[in-house]
Amino acid sequence: AQSVTQPDIHITVSEGASLELRCNYSYGATPYLFWYVQSPGQGLQLLLKYFSGDTLVQGIKGFEAEFKRSQSSFNLRKPSVHWSDAAEYFCAGRPSGGYQKVTFGTGTKLQVIP
Amino acid sequence: EPEVTQTPSHQVTQMGQEVILRCVPISNHLYFYWYRQILGQKVEFLVSFYNNEISEKSEIFDDQFSVERPDGSNFTLKIRSTKLEDSAMYFCASSEKSGLNEKLFFGSGTQLSVL
Repeated sequence: AQSVTQPDIHITVSEGASLELRCNYSYGATPYLFWYVQSPGQGLQLLLKYFSGDTLVQGIKGFEAEFKRSQSSFNLRKPSVHWSDAAEYFCAGRPSGGYQKVTFGTGTKLQVIP
Repeated sequence: EPEVTQTPSHQVTQMGQEVILRCVPISNHLYFYWYRQILGQKVEFLVSFYNNEISEKSEIFDDQFSVERPDGSNFTLKIRSTKLEDSAMYFCASSEKSGLNEKLFFGSGTQLSVL
């Protein structure tokens, strides 16, 4: 089935440390890929998206993600994590072209410790 | 930034009762969606709505579910006879258009608890 997978349910990092959240996709052709963040009590906010072109995508709040076709991955990175980054992060994807619904991964909960 | 508003933030109901979850999408958006997230599980697509009709629905969206845009501003999800397994966080989303530049704006969700 066409989907995205987030292998890490929960990750803990120290404030100031680097972060990488994993996402793998299974689509036939190059999909459209997204990262969303959900802070406690908040809705889902789009961090960044990849449609085509440059495989390194810059997003809001200092996040970036790299599309790697050879690894079917779209990992989210941040060089230095802040305490306010503690939240749940969702990778999402959809097939390219026309209208297609977005499907979400199971999410990775990020804990930031001092 | 404009936002999608959902009410109520929490809804508790008895099994078998009808519930209506309300959403006010962003005013110039044309595409509307409902997603849900059962505790500990992934966010699941329920239904999309455009031009006053359902454009796509998932297998979850059975006859117990219905959506409506009653007055040009609200977008509602009705569950006719709730079941225990309907307990979840329900997210409304809207987008200006569909296709390549689609960006979904999500509301903060309604936590539905069916007792």
